[in-house]
Amino acid sequence: DAGITQSPRHKVTETGTPVTLRCHQTENHRYMYWYRQDPGHGLRLIHYSYGVKDTDKGEVSDGYSVSRSKTEDFLLTLESATSSQTSVYFCAIMLLDTGELFFGEGSRLTVL
Amino acid sequence: QKEVEQNSGPLSVPEGAIASLNCTYSDRGSQSFFWYRQYSGKSPELIMSIYSNGDKEDGRFTAQLNKASQYVSLLIRDSQPSDSATYLCAGRYGNNRLAFGKGNQVVVIP
Repeated sequence: DAGITQSPRHKVTETGTPVTLRCHQTENHRYMYWYRQDPGHGLRLIHYSYGVKDTDKGEVSDGYSVSRSKTEDFLLTLESATSSQTSVYFCAIMLLDTGELFFGEGSRLTVL
Repeated sequence: QKEVEQNSGPLSVPEGAIASLNCTYSDRGSQSFFWYRQYSGKSPELIMSIYSNGDKEDGRFTAQLNKASQYVSLLIRDSQPSDSATYLCAGRYGNNRLAFGKGNQVVVIP
């Protein structure tokens, strides 16, 4: 157990509304990641963080922003949700010495 | 964009048989590779890590890495119904990121 919790686990929202997903870790890992997973596309990196206030874009970052004001929390924000952002979102942490990623339980987001 | 490809379709194997999964990667600089298992509706779970050429065995799982040919494989021996899942291959590249393949579904038939 890598001590990662995601909230909310399930959310249904309407197009155009803002949504924030939270990832919380308890083990002081420096690197944290947000992925989305869709049928036919696999896991795709949205944004990642390498420290407090240090973030960078992944391959599918359009329409998403992130913030990391504390080591333990990494927030993913959809400023104005669209139906194409309906997906399962996974947060992960990396053990830097091995490169191993460990995932949270996922947040299923439906945008109507 | 770094790519990891898993091209095989769903794999059905009889219980007790060997399941063989393959993936290829594009970045010759990648040094670390991983296999994840994902049950339906669950998050990916790390089952194997491999860093050097050759084979690495862990229980019924064997990972194989061939850097010259840029492929990674996973063998599941004595397949069990509990092995029915989607298996994801991943490779590590610059800036501490992992690129994932799209996954291969394995169905073990009792």
